Amino acid sequence: DTEVTQTPKHLVMGMTNKKSLKCEQHMGHRAMYWYKQKAKKPPELMFVYSYEKLSINESVPSRFSPECPNSSLLNLHLHALQPEDSALYLCASSQEGQGSEPQHFGDGTRLSIL
Amino acid sequence: QKEVEQNSGPLSVPEGAIASLNCTYSDRGSQSFFWYRQYSGKSPELIMFIYSNGDKEDGRFTAQLNKASQYVSLLIRDSQPSDSATYLCAVLTSGGSYIPTFGRGTSLIVHP
Repeated sequence: DTEVTQTPKHLVMGMTNKKSLKCEQHMGHRAMYWYKQKAKKPPELMFVYSYEKLSINESVPSRFSPECPNSSLLNLHLHALQPEDSALYLCASSQEGQGSEPQHFGDGTRLSIL
Repeated sequence: QKEVEQNSGPLSVPEGAIASLNCTYSDRGSQSFFWYRQYSGKSPELIMFIYSNGDKEDGRFTAQLNKASQYVSLLIRDSQPSDSATYLCAVLTSGGSYIPTFGRGTSLIVHP
């Protein structure tokens, strides 16, 4: 078990569905991240929130929409995804995102697009 | 372009042996170095971090950093089959976006 909690653990959705991935941490971290990871590849950064503000968007398609309602929560809203979006989606947090501190990952959501 | 290089492996070692995992990086401004273990289908788990030249030990794990050679390694002593996983090296450069650059990972197999 990790201190970063992601739900759901698995998600299967069609290309016309709308769903959301959720991430929660209670470590008092002020930086939160979304990563996408394909099999046998390293995690690929999607978004970074620092102090609840979006600080980095790595040119992610608009069918992925992040939201940070408060310092403990991070959502990723999904709409009209493509089969190539099937992957493991990882949430991570770090203390402030401005220093040398490590990132702590959640267990991930395994997403499959039909 | 910041690059972090790892041999993808697999690195196969017998149970009880020392496993040595290596990572090189291109950015001389890199200051923080992390090793993550990732089991198949699971998320990365932080196992070691190192900031200063030299060795850092934690149980069976030792991280070694040589900034002059731009090289960081992870030694696993008394390797166990449960250590079989992919090991990701991540390097962070301060003064920039503070986002770590991940290597592609090295697959380690510890056979009984």
